[in-house]
Amino acid sequence: QKEVEQDPGPLSVPEGAIVSLNCTYSNSAFQYFMWYRQYSRKGPELLMYTYSSGNKEDGRFTAQVDKSSKYISLFIRDSQPSDSATYLCAMSGGGGGSNYKLTFGKGTLLTVNP
Amino acid sequence: GAVVSQHPSRVICKSGTSVKIECRSLDFQATTMFWYRQFPKQSLMLMATSNEGSKATYEQGVEKDKFLINHASLTLSTLTVTSAHPEDSSFYICSAKFRGSTDTQYFGPGTRLTVL
Repeated sequence: QKEVEQDPGPLSVPEGAIVSLNCTYSNSAFQYFMWYRQYSRKGPELLMYTYSSGNKEDGRFTAQVDKSSKYISLFIRDSQPSDSATYLCAMSGGGGGSNYKLTFGKGTLLTVNP
Repeated sequence: GAVVSQHPSRVICKSGTSVKIECRSLDFQATTMFWYRQFPKQSLMLMATSNEGSKATYEQGVEKDKFLINHASLTLSTLTVTSAHPEDSSFYICSAKFRGSTDTQYFGPGTRLTVL
């Protein structure tokens, strides 16, 4: 079983739709959870960062962490064509040592159709 | 804030030559920098981690003599691909974190290397 599982998609939605992206993980030591957006042939861009369970909202984006289920989600409201990209979840254990390394999901390719 | 640049963005070289890629943190001091490799439609693969003034720590299976990493200052790290071969062609991305940023990494735009 991989440490982080993420459905690679592709996921295609109409403009204005609510998008739900998800990752599951097996390592209970993970404490920090991030979502990155990567456009084609570009470096990943940090979208959201959360620590511990709960929700965090930033504009049209909401990140949700459920540590008891080892499940994280990213919701995109009112999706736009400019949201078309690959979304990568990433997580780490914190606490120094090698725990700060990020473990990435494979990424979900999202296309928002106008 | 937290901007990371890479240079060059794209490089084409002949087999057997060496290529240097620079990674700079523009508005913060990067205590730790990371180098990743990404193949098409795949996720990022960590190659090595470097702390300023220290030798880089390489991931298992990454040849340290082939991928030379130097982190000479708090704002600059370089990756040199020595004696490059076509199988080294890939997208190389650096990232950086600063003290107090917990585990969040900020990524550069990437360098596409093509070895002929």
